Amino acid sequence: QSVLTQPPSASGTPGQRVTISCSGSSSNIGINTVNWYQQLPRTAPKLLIHNDNQRPSGVPDRFSGSKSGTSASLAISGLQSEDEADYYCAAWDDSLNGWVFGGGTKLTVL
Amino acid sequence: EVQLVESGGGLVKPEGSLRLSCAASGFTFSRYSMNWVRQAPGKGLEWVSTISSSSTYIYYADSVTGRFTISRDNAKNSVYLQMNSLRAEDTAVYYCTRDLSLGMPRGFDYWGQGTLLTVSS
Repeated sequence: QSVLTQPPSASGTPGQRVTISCSGSSSNIGINTVNWYQQLPRTAPKLLIHNDNQRPSGVPDRFSGSKSGTSASLAISGLQSEDEADYYCAAWDDSLNGWVFGGGTKLTVL
Repeated sequence: EVQLVESGGGLVKPEGSLRLSCAASGFTFSRYSMNWVRQAPGKGLEWVSTISSSSTYIYYADSVTGRFTISRDNAKNSVYLQMNSLRAEDTAVYYCTRDLSLGMPRGFDYWGQGTLLTVSS
């Protein structure tokens, strides 16, 4: 059981916009920033979004993050086949004194 | 170019011990906090431990507290994870990661390729 809650799966067709939610609590998302990671099949995860909505250099602007209260979302617009991957949200938890992850969302491009 | 290269994984019997190493290059290692994150086969990501740049602050997940010890050698640009009293549920790919900021933990901006630990009799 993950501390942060994500839907296990999401899907969309090429060109579509999809969103992935991440629900937490007052000890993590409510007071700390959220990061999103993308894990392509058989590869190490990669930082996709940090500080709720900041994209590292090289990440396309099709990817965007937002946060409200104790929930966060990752949006992917103009969906492409290469976006098919697992996506994880994460935040520091002040009660646990450590990082917590969502269980991951498997995105399928139909 | 930032590089993180893990080593030391392998097959260990339950209750055994192992030490993972992570060699860093391409950045000023002594300025960054470092972390270990693991992923059990077919499962999601789980944070394991964090060590600050000068080893002043160290954090562990509850699942490994008392069994795992993180350490670093800034002269060798390396971070380590000593794992004792290993259990089957510790079986996972272990990733070494760099923190994206120089201060408080902010996330993991670089990841190694991972090293596989299998705990089985």
